[in-house]
Amino acid sequence: EAGVAQSPRYKIIEKRQSVAFWCNPISGHATLYWYQQILGQGPKLLIQFQNNGVVDDSQLPKDRFSAERLKGVDSTLKIQPAKLEDSAVYLCASSSRGQGPFNEQFFGPGTRLTVL
Amino acid sequence: SQQGEEDPQALSIQEGENATMNCSYKTSINNLQWYRQNSGRGLVHLILIRSNEREKHSGRLRVTLDTSKKSSSLLITASRAADTASYFCATVPNSGGYQKVTFGIGTKLQVIP
Repeated sequence: EAGVAQSPRYKIIEKRQSVAFWCNPISGHATLYWYQQILGQGPKLLIQFQNNGVVDDSQLPKDRFSAERLKGVDSTLKIQPAKLEDSAVYLCASSSRGQGPFNEQFFGPGTRLTVL
Repeated sequence: SQQGEEDPQALSIQEGENATMNCSYKTSINNLQWYRQNSGRGLVHLILIRSNEREKHSGRLRVTLDTSKKSSSLLITASRAADTASYFCATVPNSGGYQKVTFGIGTKLQVIP
């Protein structure tokens, strides 16, 4: 089966600009996650969707970050305006078992964002 | 904040040797998962161990869990150069309702050919 797709793979922008990332999860996976991974750290959950509803966005900086998952399939994550500290890899993951505890996550390759 | 803390943060071994990584956590868990991340790639799920399990094997991987010490270890036997990657533990808390996976900061493993 096809894996989780993300685009673009790399993005360089200047601070205060806007940027958007796209994710296509594995077909049939109800749960979709966006993580931020700063260099040298583990992934930090930004937002989790169950179908097209938000389950957890407690660590999403809502003054500048937004995400949507229309029709419960693809998702976009937007940053507006970007700050230097947003430089990171943005990972998308999906899983098939909803909110259950035994939910192996499948990750995309990530988008590396550099903010100058 | 990250619940899991891996130890060591970096490890360098010769090919053929065994590599052991440890993960400590603070709160009660439902399960603990280990993931691998190759440079520039996404994470790949390796193994999941439930709170009522003490040891689990998958190929050259052996995971142990000690809930009394709130710690887990990942052992890679007969390491290969291809095992060079960062390894993360991820914990799922033992709480009702929504259960969030929280990742540690990782152990960077280098296997020298």
